[in-house]
Amino acid sequence: SAVISQKPSRDICQRGTSLTIQCQVDSQVTMMFWYRQQPGQSLTLIATANQGSEATYESGFVIDKFPISRPNLTFSTLTVSNMSPEDSSIYLCSVADRVNQPQHFGDGTRLSIL
Amino acid sequence: KQEVTQIPAALSVPEGENLVLNCSFTDSAIYNLQWFRQDPGKGLTSLLLIQSSQREQTSGRLNASLDKSSGRSTLYIAASQPGDSATYLCAVFGANSKLTFGKGITLSVRP
Repeated sequence: SAVISQKPSRDICQRGTSLTIQCQVDSQVTMMFWYRQQPGQSLTLIATANQGSEATYESGFVIDKFPISRPNLTFSTLTVSNMSPEDSSIYLCSVADRVNQPQHFGDGTRLSIL
Repeated sequence: KQEVTQIPAALSVPEGENLVLNCSFTDSAIYNLQWFRQDPGKGLTSLLLIQSSQREQTSGRLNASLDKSSGRSTLYIAASQPGDSATYLCAVFGANSKLTFGKGITLSVRP
């Protein structure tokens, strides 16, 4: 399966700032996703990162707050903008070759906002 | 809207015990079901994926079953070890082309 590297692994940020999280895959993948895992909660899909076009966002998530880039088939970024304490979560990137194939996850970025 | 439930939220067993983790889902129109393991502070590791046409999958000491019509899956762990201690998440991939996750079961295997 693909090896997925996420950076940074953790960060502590000030309220009102923005942070960009990187997801690098060691092979070309068709599908890339970004999830959020709030404390004590399950994973929630933020958006599907589409190569060469705008990301597809889930209900409750907007591009202004969570801009996503996917310049090629091995790399994507998620930015958490204008952060507030409610954004304190683990953010995870996942990839899959096809719809019916397993999704594989990176180690996640643990984000704390003061 | 698909909902995935995993009960209980936590489980503690002595080493060597065989155990079953349960997962239920409300919409049986799924393409596949995937079991993951999550260690503290880490991402998710895929354990098993069962396609909707399959009844079970096995990997080592793990066996996952799927009963799509009743909306249930189980993950069987044989001869549990302390290294199996982790949170186990169930997720279904549905007609909306998205993974819907349960909240997970935190397993503790006591030496």
